[in-house]
Amino acid sequence: DAGVIQSPRHEVTEMGQEVTLRCKPISGHNSLFWYRQTMMRGLELLIYFNNNVPIDDSGMPEDRFSAKMPNASFSTLKIQPSEPRDSAVYFCASSFTGGLVSPRPYEQYFGPGTRLTVT
Amino acid sequence: QKEVEQDPGPLSVPEGAIVSLNCTYSNSAFQYFMWYRQYSRKGPELLMYTYSSGNKEDGRFTAQVDKSSKYISLFIRDSQPSDSATYLCAMSAREKETSGSRLTFGEGTQLTVNP
Repeated sequence: DAGVIQSPRHEVTEMGQEVTLRCKPISGHNSLFWYRQTMMRGLELLIYFNNNVPIDDSGMPEDRFSAKMPNASFSTLKIQPSEPRDSAVYFCASSFTGGLVSPRPYEQYFGPGTRLTVT
Repeated sequence: QKEVEQDPGPLSVPEGAIVSLNCTYSNSAFQYFMWYRQYSRKGPELLMYTYSSGNKEDGRFTAQVDKSSKYISLFIRDSQPSDSATYLCAMSAREKETSGSRLTFGEGTQLTVNP
C-alpha cells in the first residue's frame, strides 16, 4: 500500500492567493482527518470526515478554510484568501472505523504533510 | 484546561539512557491510548497502542497506562541516537460507528539522544 498521499509537498504563495491541498487516503479507510501543525500550537485537528461526510469542523479556524471529500479516495483543503499566519505543515490522516473489527481501533495513518509558506 | 497535557521538553539524554515520557489527561471517557513518533519533516507514525491499564512491551519500548490516575507513560530502554524524534501521546474515546472517531493529541516531547 502506498500509504496516505498528499500533494503538493511544499507550497509557497503570496498573501491573498488561494491554496488547495490534496489528500488521497489509504484504500479501504473510511475516516479522513485534516491537521495543522505549528511550533506554537502543536498538532491541531481542523476537520474530519466519516464515510465522506464532514463530522466535526469545529477546528477550522475561520471561513477562509473549507474542506471537501467528494469520494472515498480524495479530499481537499482550501484556504482562500491565504494569510501569513496560515503558514504551517498540514497533515492528512486516514483510519478505518468499524467498531472492534479493526485490531487497533482508531489508529490513524498520517501522510507526509504539505509545508505551506504564505509570504 | 487542555484535555491532554504533555511536557514539550526538549529532553536530551546520552545514548543508552532510559527515557521516560509522560502524559496526563482529564477525560475519563478515553479508552484507547497511543504513542506516535515523529521524525523531523515527517508525518507522525504509530509506535505503541494499548487500551487497558498496565504495561505493554515491544522491544525496547514499554507503554504504561494508569486509568485511575489518568496517566500514561512511554519508556525507552537503551536509547539510541535513532530514537531522536518528537513523541506525541494520543488518546480516543469509543465513539459511535456512524460518526467515526478522533484522536486527542498531546503537544509532543522533543527527544534528543546524544551518541
